[in-house]
Amino acid sequence: GDSVTQMEGPVTLSEEAFLTINCTYTATGYPSLFWYVQYPGEGLQLLLKATKADDKGSNKGFEATYRKETTSFHLEKGSVQVSDSAVYFCALSEAYNQGGKLIFGQGTELSVKP
Amino acid sequence: SQTIHQWPATLVQPVGSPLSLECTVEGTSNPNLYWYRQAAGRGLQLLFYSVGIGQISSEVPQNLSASRPQDRQFILSSKKLLLSDSGFYLCAWSVLTGARAPLHFGNGTRLTVT
Repeated sequence: GDSVTQMEGPVTLSEEAFLTINCTYTATGYPSLFWYVQYPGEGLQLLLKATKADDKGSNKGFEATYRKETTSFHLEKGSVQVSDSAVYFCALSEAYNQGGKLIFGQGTELSVKP
Repeated sequence: SQTIHQWPATLVQPVGSPLSLECTVEGTSNPNLYWYRQAAGRGLQLLFYSVGIGQISSEVPQNLSASRPQDRQFILSSKKLLLSDSGFYLCAWSVLTGARAPLHFGNGTRLTVT
Protein backbone atom coordinates (compact mmCIF):
# COMPACT_ATOMS: atom_id res chain seq x y z
CA GLY A 1 0.00 0.00 0.00
CA ASP A 2 0.87 3.65 -0.13
CA SER A 3 3.24 4.94 2.52
CA VAL A 4 5.38 7.88 3.58
CA THR A 5 8.75 7.63 5.32
CA GLN A 6 10.43 10.54 7.07
CA MET A 7 13.82 10.89 8.64
CA GLU A 8 13.79 10.18 12.33
CA GLY A 9 14.04 12.96 14.82
CA PRO A 10 14.56 14.84 16.89
CA VAL A 11 16.58 17.20 14.77
CA THR A 12 18.40 19.86 16.77
CA LEU A 13 19.83 22.90 15.02
CA SER A 14 21.23 26.27 15.96
CA GLU A 15 19.44 29.39 14.84
CA GLU A 16 20.23 30.38 11.23
CA ALA A 17 21.36 26.85 10.32
CA PHE A 18 20.23 25.12 7.14
CA LEU A 19 17.42 22.61 7.50
CA THR A 20 16.67 19.49 5.52
CA ILE A 21 14.03 16.97 6.54
CA ASN A 22 13.94 13.97 4.22
CA CYS A 23 10.68 12.47 3.01
CA THR A 24 10.21 9.59 0.57
CA TYR A 25 7.01 7.98 -0.52
CA THR A 26 5.59 4.85 -2.08
CA ALA A 27 2.51 5.19 -4.24
CA THR A 28 0.96 3.33 -7.15
CA GLY A 29 -0.48 6.38 -8.88
CA TYR A 30 0.29 10.08 -9.06
CA PRO A 31 -0.11 11.49 -5.57
CA SER A 32 -0.25 15.03 -4.31
CA LEU A 33 2.36 15.74 -1.64
CA PHE A 34 2.10 17.93 1.44
CA TRP A 35 4.09 19.18 4.39
CA TYR A 36 2.24 19.98 7.60
CA VAL A 37 3.59 21.58 10.77
CA GLN A 38 2.36 20.97 14.32
CA TYR A 39 3.30 23.41 17.08
CA PRO A 40 3.17 22.13 20.67
CA GLY A 41 -0.36 21.37 21.84
CA GLU A 42 -1.96 22.40 18.56
CA GLY A 43 -3.45 20.78 15.49
CA LEU A 44 -1.71 20.51 12.15
CA GLN A 45 -1.30 23.42 9.77
CA LEU A 46 -0.65 23.08 6.06
CA LEU A 47 2.84 24.39 5.32
CA LEU A 48 3.13 23.73 1.58
CA LYS A 49 2.04 21.35 -1.15
CA ALA A 50 2.89 20.12 -4.64
CA THR A 51 0.49 18.36 -6.96
CA LYS A 52 2.66 17.11 -9.81
CA ALA A 53 6.23 16.13 -10.64
CA ASP A 54 8.83 18.94 -10.51
CA ASP A 55 6.41 21.28 -8.72
CA LYS A 56 8.02 23.30 -5.93
CA GLY A 57 5.91 24.21 -2.95
CA SER A 58 7.05 27.12 -0.80
CA ASN A 59 5.84 29.05 2.23
CA LYS A 60 7.42 31.03 5.08
CA GLY A 61 10.93 30.34 3.75
CA PHE A 62 10.35 26.58 3.52
CA GLU A 63 10.58 24.77 0.19
CA ALA A 64 10.05 21.26 -1.12
CA THR A 65 10.29 19.91 -4.66
CA TYR A 66 8.24 16.95 -5.92
CA ARG A 67 10.83 14.52 -7.33
CA LYS A 68 9.07 11.66 -9.08
CA GLU A 69 12.31 9.97 -10.18
CA THR A 70 13.48 9.61 -6.57
CA THR A 71 9.97 9.52 -5.03
CA SER A 72 10.99 12.24 -2.63
CA PHE A 73 9.67 15.52 -1.23
CA HIS A 74 12.40 16.82 1.07
CA LEU A 75 11.68 19.91 3.15
CA GLU A 76 14.35 22.65 3.24
CA LYS A 77 14.86 26.05 4.80
CA GLY A 78 17.93 28.18 4.40
CA SER A 79 17.97 29.76 7.86
CA VAL A 80 15.86 28.39 10.70
CA GLN A 81 14.54 30.39 13.63
CA VAL A 82 13.65 29.38 17.17
CA SER A 83 10.00 29.84 16.21
CA ASP A 84 10.34 27.01 13.66
CA SER A 85 10.60 24.49 16.48
CA ALA A 86 7.74 22.06 15.87
CA VAL A 87 6.91 18.63 14.49
CA TYR A 88 6.85 18.38 10.70
CA PHE A 89 4.75 15.81 8.85
CA CYS A 90 5.07 14.75 5.25
CA ALA A 91 1.89 13.37 3.67
CA LEU A 92 0.49 12.14 0.39
CA SER A 93 -2.94 11.91 -1.15
CA GLU A 94 -3.54 9.50 -3.99
CA ALA A 95 -5.80 10.69 -6.77
CA TYR A 96 -7.92 7.57 -6.54
CA ASN A 97 -8.43 7.81 -2.78
CA GLN A 98 -12.11 8.14 -2.07
CA GLY A 99 -12.59 11.34 -0.15
CA GLY A 100 -8.99 12.48 -0.75
CA LYS A 101 -7.72 11.23 2.60
CA LEU A 102 -4.07 11.80 3.55
CA ILE A 103 -1.42 9.25 4.47
CA PHE A 104 1.11 10.71 6.89
CA GLY A 105 4.69 9.98 7.74
CA GLN A 106 5.60 9.51 11.38
CA GLY A 107 6.65 13.13 11.88
CA THR A 108 10.04 14.73 12.54
CA GLU A 109 10.56 16.88 15.57
CA LEU A 110 12.69 19.97 15.02
CA SER A 111 14.26 21.88 17.88
CA VAL A 112 16.04 25.16 17.11
CA LYS A 113 18.34 26.57 19.78
CA PRO A 114 19.21 30.29 20.02
CA SER B 1 -13.75 32.12 5.73
CA GLN B 2 -13.91 28.53 6.89
CA THR B 3 -13.30 27.51 10.47
CA ILE B 4 -13.29 24.21 12.31
CA HIS B 5 -14.13 23.73 15.97
CA GLN B 6 -13.31 20.76 18.15
CA TRP B 7 -14.27 20.23 21.76
CA PRO B 8 -13.38 19.59 24.41
CA ALA B 9 -9.70 20.53 24.21
CA THR B 10 -8.73 18.07 26.94
CA LEU B 11 -10.54 15.17 28.53
CA VAL B 12 -9.72 12.68 31.27
CA GLN B 13 -11.99 9.65 31.38
CA PRO B 14 -11.92 6.38 33.33
CA VAL B 15 -11.66 3.03 31.60
CA GLY B 16 -15.10 1.72 30.62
CA SER B 17 -16.75 5.13 30.42
CA PRO B 18 -18.38 6.45 27.22
CA LEU B 19 -16.87 9.04 24.92
CA SER B 20 -18.25 11.74 22.65
CA LEU B 21 -16.02 14.19 20.79
CA GLU B 22 -17.61 16.75 18.54
CA CYS B 23 -16.33 18.62 15.51
CA THR B 24 -18.12 21.27 13.47
CA VAL B 25 -17.09 23.17 10.37
CA GLU B 26 -18.32 26.61 9.40
CA GLY B 27 -18.17 28.51 6.15
CA THR B 28 -18.33 25.63 3.70
CA SER B 29 -20.89 23.11 2.46
CA ASN B 30 -20.66 19.37 1.95
CA PRO B 31 -17.06 18.99 3.15
CA ASN B 32 -15.19 15.72 3.50
CA LEU B 33 -14.66 15.14 7.22
CA TYR B 34 -11.97 13.09 8.95
CA TRP B 35 -10.99 11.82 12.38
CA TYR B 36 -7.30 11.14 12.99
CA ARG B 37 -5.57 9.90 16.13
CA GLN B 38 -2.02 10.72 17.16
CA ALA B 39 -0.62 8.45 19.84
CA ALA B 40 2.18 9.81 22.02
CA GLY B 41 5.41 10.14 20.02
CA ARG B 42 3.86 8.65 16.90
CA GLY B 43 2.38 9.73 13.59
CA LEU B 44 -1.22 10.21 12.59
CA GLN B 45 -3.59 7.35 12.04
CA LEU B 46 -6.77 7.87 10.03
CA LEU B 47 -9.74 6.49 11.97
CA PHE B 48 -12.81 7.53 9.97
CA TYR B 49 -13.77 9.70 7.06
CA SER B 50 -17.07 10.86 5.65
CA VAL B 51 -18.00 12.23 2.23
CA GLY B 52 -21.60 13.07 3.17
CA ILE B 53 -24.33 12.94 5.79
CA GLY B 54 -24.69 9.43 7.18
CA GLN B 55 -21.75 8.13 5.10
CA ILE B 56 -18.92 6.85 7.29
CA SER B 57 -15.88 4.85 6.24
CA SER B 58 -13.79 3.13 8.88
CA GLU B 59 -10.09 2.70 8.29
CA VAL B 60 -9.15 0.48 11.21
CA PRO B 61 -11.12 -1.90 13.43
CA GLN B 62 -11.34 -0.46 16.91
CA ASN B 63 -13.35 0.46 19.93
CA LEU B 64 -14.58 3.69 18.36
CA SER B 65 -17.38 4.76 16.03
CA ALA B 66 -18.21 7.91 14.11
CA SER B 67 -21.39 9.60 13.00
CA ARG B 68 -22.30 12.54 10.81
CA PRO B 69 -25.79 13.66 11.76
CA GLN B 70 -25.54 16.99 9.92
CA ASP B 71 -23.58 18.23 6.92
CA ARG B 72 -20.92 20.01 8.96
CA GLN B 73 -20.93 17.97 12.15
CA PHE B 74 -18.76 14.95 12.82
CA ILE B 75 -18.87 13.02 16.09
CA LEU B 76 -16.45 10.42 17.45
CA SER B 77 -17.85 8.04 20.05
CA SER B 78 -17.13 5.04 22.19
CA LYS B 79 -19.41 3.02 24.44
CA LYS B 80 -16.57 1.84 26.69
CA LEU B 81 -13.13 3.42 26.63
CA LEU B 82 -9.93 1.38 26.81
CA LEU B 83 -6.55 2.53 28.07
CA SER B 84 -5.26 2.23 24.52
CA ASP B 85 -7.75 4.89 23.39
CA SER B 86 -5.60 7.59 24.98
CA GLY B 87 -4.17 10.01 22.46
CA PHE B 88 -4.58 13.25 20.60
CA TYR B 89 -7.67 13.25 18.37
CA LEU B 90 -7.79 15.55 15.39
CA CYS B 91 -10.75 16.43 13.21
CA ALA B 92 -10.15 17.73 9.70
CA TRP B 93 -12.09 18.84 6.64
CA SER B 94 -11.48 19.29 2.95
CA VAL B 95 -13.52 20.48 -0.01
CA LEU B 96 -14.84 17.97 -2.50
CA THR B 97 -12.20 18.49 -5.16
CA GLY B 98 -10.35 15.23 -4.71
CA ALA B 99 -6.79 14.44 -3.78
CA ARG B 100 -5.31 17.85 -4.46
CA ALA B 101 -7.35 19.63 -1.83
CA PRO B 102 -5.42 19.88 1.45
CA LEU B 103 -6.91 18.95 4.79
CA HIS B 104 -7.58 21.63 7.37
CA PHE B 105 -7.26 20.52 10.97
CA GLY B 106 -8.86 21.55 14.22
CA ASN B 107 -6.82 22.13 17.36
CA GLY B 108 -7.42 18.62 18.63
CA THR B 109 -8.67 16.93 21.78
CA ARG B 110 -6.18 15.35 24.15
CA LEU B 111 -7.83 12.29 25.68
CA THR B 112 -6.35 10.50 28.68
CA VAL B 113 -7.99 7.27 29.74
CA THR B 114 -7.13 6.35 33.33
